[in-house]
Amino acid sequence: SAVISQKPSRDICQRGTSLTIQCQVDSQVTMMFWYRQQPGQSLTLIATANQGSEATYESGFVIDKFPISRPNLTFSTLTVSNMSPEDSSIYLCSVVLGAGGETQYFGPGTRLLVL
Amino acid sequence: SQKIEQNSEALNIQEGKTATLTCNYTNYSPAYLQWYRQDPGRGPVFLLLIRENEKEKRKERLKVTFDTTLKQSLFHITASQPADSATYLCALGNQGGKLIFGQGTELSVKP
Repeated sequence: SAVISQKPSRDICQRGTSLTIQCQVDSQVTMMFWYRQQPGQSLTLIATANQGSEATYESGFVIDKFPISRPNLTFSTLTVSNMSPEDSSIYLCSVVLGAGGETQYFGPGTRLLVL
Repeated sequence: SQKIEQNSEALNIQEGKTATLTCNYTNYSPAYLQWYRQDPGRGPVFLLLIRENEKEKRKERLKVTFDTTLKQSLFHITASQPADSATYLCALGNQGGKLIFGQGTELSVKP
């Protein structure tokens, strides 16, 4: 398994500002994912962040709004840019261990409230 | 488009009974299906994976079935305990590691 931490655990932000969320893993992983979980809803994949390549975004998510960095095999950041109240959500990172791995291990999430 | 549906209403059962959760999907042919548990304020935790060529898998008090003809998975918790109270998510996956999640079913086990 993997131990994943996220910072911050929660934040309250003003509309129009940006927040960068960090995801740290205790082992080297190739595949990392960023999800959004809106209140009472399931997880929606924002993007796949593989080290050494550009992040791949899902339909409805764009790099200008959710820029992602993946500088090494244990760390990634997701920025929520120019925030609006609709961005209030829980943001989670997850990793897959090993090549061809299928099980995802999740961080504890970052709870974001935009006023 | 791909769609996953889980029991939308919360499931309330008595301690010691078997909880059965349903996951139905359409417009998708997954290579495998997974079940996760999510507690409030925490990320999902992996429970079980079942592949398209498997009918049933067990792990301790957990049992998962997978019917690719019906496009349905059933998740059973036998001898349920109050500590099993949580939201349970099903997720479908294919090659490449990406998962599509259902909206989850909230389970409450009363002592």
